[in-house]
Amino acid sequence: GESVGLHLPTLSVQEGDNSIINCAYSNSASDYFIWYKQESGKGPQFIIDIRSNMDKRQGQRVTVLLNKTVKHLSLQIAATQPGDSAVYFCAENSPDSSYKLIFGSGTRLLVRP
Amino acid sequence: NAGVTQTPKFRILKIGQSMTLQCTQDMNHNYMYWYRQDPGMGLKLIYYSVGAGITDKGEVPNGYNVSRSTTEDFPLRLELAAPSQTSVYFCASSSSGRRGNQPQHFGDGTRLSIL
Repeated sequence: GESVGLHLPTLSVQEGDNSIINCAYSNSASDYFIWYKQESGKGPQFIIDIRSNMDKRQGQRVTVLLNKTVKHLSLQIAATQPGDSAVYFCAENSPDSSYKLIFGSGTRLLVRP
Repeated sequence: NAGVTQTPKFRILKIGQSMTLQCTQDMNHNYMYWYRQDPGMGLKLIYYSVGAGITDKGEVPNGYNVSRSTTEDFPLRLELAAPSQTSVYFCASSSSGRRGNQPQHFGDGTRLSIL
């Protein structure tokens, strides 16, 4: 079935380093992808999205890369800060039904001081 | 701007009890969603709505009901609480977009324990 998964369940990085969180998706018909950040006790917070007609999109300190050939999505966080510590989810839109998102299981990012 | 507001934040129920989880949004979004999140897992869609009066099942609808009488409100009802429904419940909303091409905005969740 359709699935969105993550390669690394936990990522530990030094403060100030760059972080890269990866995500694989299985449905080649998906054309919209989102990254969310979830802090403990909070709901998912929208970070950045990308449509399938783009390969790269940049925000403030974050960049999302989309490789449709290998169905891979990544989130890059520049100069990682302690406040970036959270669980990060990728999601893709569901091609079989309008407006639904399929979420991965998440990657925990730990920032070492 | 409050965004998506969920109440209550925490609740403990006994098996067989019923309750309604409230969700309201002030962004005039047409689409609203209910998810559950089990520990260490991603989000699973319970029900969703594309507008007032229209609801549809998601991946895991059994044991739940919803209604959408207004654009702002999308309550989730548990009729006979079971231990398997212990979870964190998130409500989300999004604006209209072709094939879901708009980000969903989430509330802070309701943590529900069934004992």
